[in-house]
Amino acid sequence: GAVVSQHPSRVICKSGTSVKIECRSLDFQATTMFWYRQFPKQSLMLMATSNEGSKATYEQGVEKDKFLINHASLTLSTLTVTSAHPEDSSFYICSARLGAHYGYTFGSGTRLTVV
Amino acid sequence: DAKTTQPPSMDCAEGRAANLPCNHSTISGNEYVYWYRQIHSQGPQYIIHGLKNNETNEMASLIITEDRKSSTLILPHATLRDTAVYYCIVRPPPRGSQGNLIFGKGTKLSVKP
Repeated sequence: GAVVSQHPSRVICKSGTSVKIECRSLDFQATTMFWYRQFPKQSLMLMATSNEGSKATYEQGVEKDKFLINHASLTLSTLTVTSAHPEDSSFYICSARLGAHYGYTFGSGTRLTVV
Repeated sequence: DAKTTQPPSMDCAEGRAANLPCNHSTISGNEYVYWYRQIHSQGPQYIIHGLKNNETNEMASLIITEDRKSSTLILPHATLRDTAVYYCIVRPPPRGSQGNLIFGKGTKLSVKP
């Protein structure tokens, strides 16, 4: 089945630095990937839709200059949290879909802690 | 996308069937019912989806009422590993690889020994 690999699984960074999270589709090509964020004891919230070869589409309230998304190939999308602050500490999850008749596949998530 | 309502939490004894309900009274004719689950600190895992017929796979069964206004996810023999938050999501079939899932609060299922 479709597998989405997400790295790193955990990262701790200092306030003010940037962190890059990678999301790869291992055995299929994904023209579209989705980035979610999940705060403790809350549900997943869609942040942005990543489109291969074009600009990402951000949800209302998500700062595109702070959360940079690059989808340069059909198998890789990256999310960079720029100038991270403690309030950006969260669980970030990516997702992709093989095609019209398949379910969505999620990465294992990245736990970001900004200190 | 249609809104769903799920109980916030449920308990189930290990080895027994877990029946998780979901109300989606405003579902449209072309909207599917998807079920996902999220084990603590992991990404969501696809379980099953259906349109109007009951569905079964190696993980679970999905029973959709005739009027499609509600559904039940059945885990026939729950194990401790099935402890997770279960999300019922209703949405039209995306075209190609487009579309996204909108998550509600789900049901936290606790399987107890």
